[in-house]
Amino acid sequence: QKEVEQDPGPLSVPEGAIVSLNCTYSNSAFQYFMWYRQYSRKGPELLMYTYSSGNKEDGRFTAQVDKSSKYISLFIRDSQPSDSATYLCAMSGGGRSGGGADGLTFGKGTHLIIQP
Amino acid sequence: NAGVTQTPKFQVLKTGQSMTLQCAQDMNHEYMSWYRQDPGMGLRLIHYSVGAGITDQGEVPNGYNVSRSTTEDFPLRLLSAAPSQTSVYFCASSIQGVGETQYFGPGTRLLVL
Repeated sequence: QKEVEQDPGPLSVPEGAIVSLNCTYSNSAFQYFMWYRQYSRKGPELLMYTYSSGNKEDGRFTAQVDKSSKYISLFIRDSQPSDSATYLCAMSGGGRSGGGADGLTFGKGTHLIIQP
Repeated sequence: NAGVTQTPKFQVLKTGQSMTLQCAQDMNHEYMSWYRQDPGMGLRLIHYSVGAGITDQGEVPNGYNVSRSTTEDFPLRLLSAAPSQTSVYFCASSIQGVGETQYFGPGTRLLVL
């Protein structure tokens, strides 16, 4: 079982719909959770960052983390064609002894298409 | 600020050739890392560095070398390129560690024939 599972899609929804993207993970040491957006032939850019469990909202985006279920979600409200991209979940335990070492573990990414 | 820059954008190599992928950041970030992105695999960590003079291996380090002589630069060296190293390579940096916002470069597309 891969450490982070993410449905690759594609997920196609009409403009204005609420989008729900999800990841599950197996490593209970993960405590930093991120969502990155990646446009075609570009580098990933950070959308949302959450430490431990809880919700975080930023404009049309809401990130949720449920550590008890090892499940994270990203919701996009009032979706726009410009939201069409690949969304990557990423997580980390913060490194060895919390010293910031090691790296992020990524899901495979979900390809999202917003139809005008 | 230019952020994280990577050169070249695209490179074609023949099997057995060596090359260096350049990564630089102008944000005075201590932590830098290299990932490769392959279809159906997501991004995987190759090497990382928590500061000048300190490097360590990630998930897929075989066939790659790194060094960190300055805070700004973190080059990735392919010693003897293989077709399995065909991928898109991303460099990332953050202020101090992996638990912080990672800023990614635009990537280098590498094709090994």
